[in-house]
Amino acid sequence: EAQVTQNPRYLITVTGKKLTVTCSQNMNHEYMSWYRQDPGLGLRQIYYSMNVEVTDKGDVPEGYKVSRKEKRNFPLILESPSPNQTSLYFCASSLSWQVVPYEQYFGPGTRLTVT
Amino acid sequence: AQTVTQSQPEMSVQEAETVTLSCTYDTSENNYYLFWYKQPPSRQMILVIRQEAYKQQNATENRFSVNFQKAAKSFSLKISDSQLGDTAMYFCAFMKHGPSGGSQGNLIFGKGTKLSVKP
Repeated sequence: EAQVTQNPRYLITVTGKKLTVTCSQNMNHEYMSWYRQDPGLGLRQIYYSMNVEVTDKGDVPEGYKVSRKEKRNFPLILESPSPNQTSLYFCASSLSWQVVPYEQYFGPGTRLTVT
Repeated sequence: AQTVTQSQPEMSVQEAETVTLSCTYDTSENNYYLFWYKQPPSRQMILVIRQEAYKQQNATENRFSVNFQKAAKSFSLKISDSQLGDTAMYFCAFMKHGPSGGSQGNLIFGKGTKLSVKP
């Protein structure tokens, strides 16, 4: 089944404790992206990757890191989480940023709470 | 910078009736793409419908259709014959067309409209 998977689905952690949220897709997609969703703000892009070893900042990159060493994986790293990073996180992928219709497939979401 | 505005935080509709969700956007781009995503209580983001700005014909997908007014920068979603399963948050999103012929990939989302379908 074609899908985007994220792990963990739920995470409660403490301020300053490094964590990684994994994202993997099995559709051979070139483009991958991370979004965060906050009440009243919709979804905002954190980082994106147009292909392996190519990443760039989205609209709200502060406090996050990413890497794209393999085509299928795009982990999101919070080196020193803070309470304002409590949010619902989505990973998304699409075939290519150069190919219409650019439909993005979303993972199931990761609910992160930082205390 | 592009912005997307959904002016209706919440709406409700009776089952089997028609409802229209509003979306306006601000951009100086001429080529771009517009999307409506649905987020049911399961939180999964599901693509409902897409519209390419260069196409004048409004997109339709079964009970879902859009009214795309490029000059007015308006992109409303009409849901016909509403069903209980349509209850969800609906997000309007914008993606600009990149200079090389591809997309920049960044979806700009509105804040969402919470739709409740009542039996």
